[in-house]
Formats: sequence, C-alpha cells, structure tokens
Amino acid sequence: ETGVTQSPTHLIKTRGQQVTLRCSSQSGHNTVSWYQQALGQGPQFIFQYYREEENGRGNFPPRFSGLQFPNYSSELNVNALELDDSALYLCASSLDLVGQKNTEAFFGQGTRLTVV
Amino acid sequence: GQQLNQSPQSMFIQEGEDVSMNCTSSSIFNTWLWYKQDPGEGPVLLIALYKAGELTSNGRLTAQFGITRKDSFLNISASIPSDVGIYFCAGRIRKSGGSNYKLTFGKGTLLTVNP
Repeated sequence: ETGVTQSPTHLIKTRGQQVTLRCSSQSGHNTVSWYQQALGQGPQFIFQYYREEENGRGNFPPRFSGLQFPNYSSELNVNALELDDSALYLCASSLDLVGQKNTEAFFGQGTRLTVV
Repeated sequence: GQQLNQSPQSMFIQEGEDVSMNCTSSSIFNTWLWYKQDPGEGPVLLIALYKAGELTSNGRLTAQFGITRKDSFLNISASIPSDVGIYFCAGRIRKSGGSNYKLTFGKGTLLTVNP
C-alpha cells in the first residue's frame, strides 16, 4: 500500500454535471500529479501541482482544473462532463526538492468515474 | 495524447516460463520506469532506470535502459501465477529547472500465467 488515498472510489455522473475528486498524498510528499486512464489504455498526464500551484499540464481542456492545499492534498475538478470523461482517475504523489534526488511517484487506487 | 509503443499487447504463458516485453519511443527520455497494475488498483512501481545502458534487477525482474534513451525492456524470469497483471512502461523528461515529473506511459502488456 502506497499511502496515497483517493475518494470516492467509484462515481456515476450525468453528462453536463460537475465532479470533484480528492487525493491525500503520501506523508512527506509535496507534489501531486493527476492522470486519466481510459479503458485499455495507459495513464495520460492531466496536470501536476507543486507548492499549491499548477506545475505542468497535459493535453486536457480548461474544464479540467485542480487545487493543492497547504497539507499537499489535492482536488481534481471537471466541469461540463462529457461521456468520454468516463475513466479511472489516478492521483500520484512524490517528494520534489530542488537540487536533490526526488522520489518516484506513488499512485493511489484511483477513482472510477462513469458519465452517463 | 502521446503514448509509448509497448509490445506485445498481451501474452499468455505457462508458469515457469520467462517473459520479455519492450517499449520504444520517438523521443528521448532520461528516466524509464516499469509499473504493474492489478484490476481496480493504481500502478505499482517495479523498477526505475536513470542512466542509458543501465541494467537493474528486482528479484525475478530485470530491466534495461536503452543506449539510445529511446527504448527499454523488462524481463520476468520463472513466471508465477501472481505475475498476472498489466505491465506499463513510462518515460520521463526532466525540464530544465528541475521539477517537472510528467510520465508518458505505454498502452500496457497484459500478462496471463497459466498454472
């Protein structure tokens, strides 16, 4: 077990609704990344948060947004849900210290989002 | 989005056999990682490779970072039933200034082990 926890584990939403997914990073980790994994595919990078600011973004539209809190936990928000947003959403935390060797990312178990 | 070329897509083997899978990219990476994902779980890191040419083992698993920095392979020796799962390769480029850890994943290799 990695110590990265995500909630909820499963969620069903209707097209056009908004959703918030939550992630608690592993103790001591200061960086959180979010990934979308569609069925039968590898995870795709959405964005990363470091020191409460977005620190890199993948090819996802602005309706995907996030937050990182002072305790390093994070939220992923998706507005105007589309059917294609149905996927497993993974959160990964790591320790990032400038000028030092950083840890690899540890993944949570994911949130399975179904949009109907 | 971009995904690495991972092969084979799936493998069905007998317990005790060795397994080999590989990953290629059109881009250079300075880190290669191999993950295993079980149903309903997030990926779990198996091996991390940081230098071109590096060969690293973790128990029955061995992985290599290709000399060109555009490929990597993973070998599993003497497979057992609990090796069943999806194996993903992932590459990473560190931005100048240090802290970008975006991982680019392959599509995965589904491994089935027949006892």
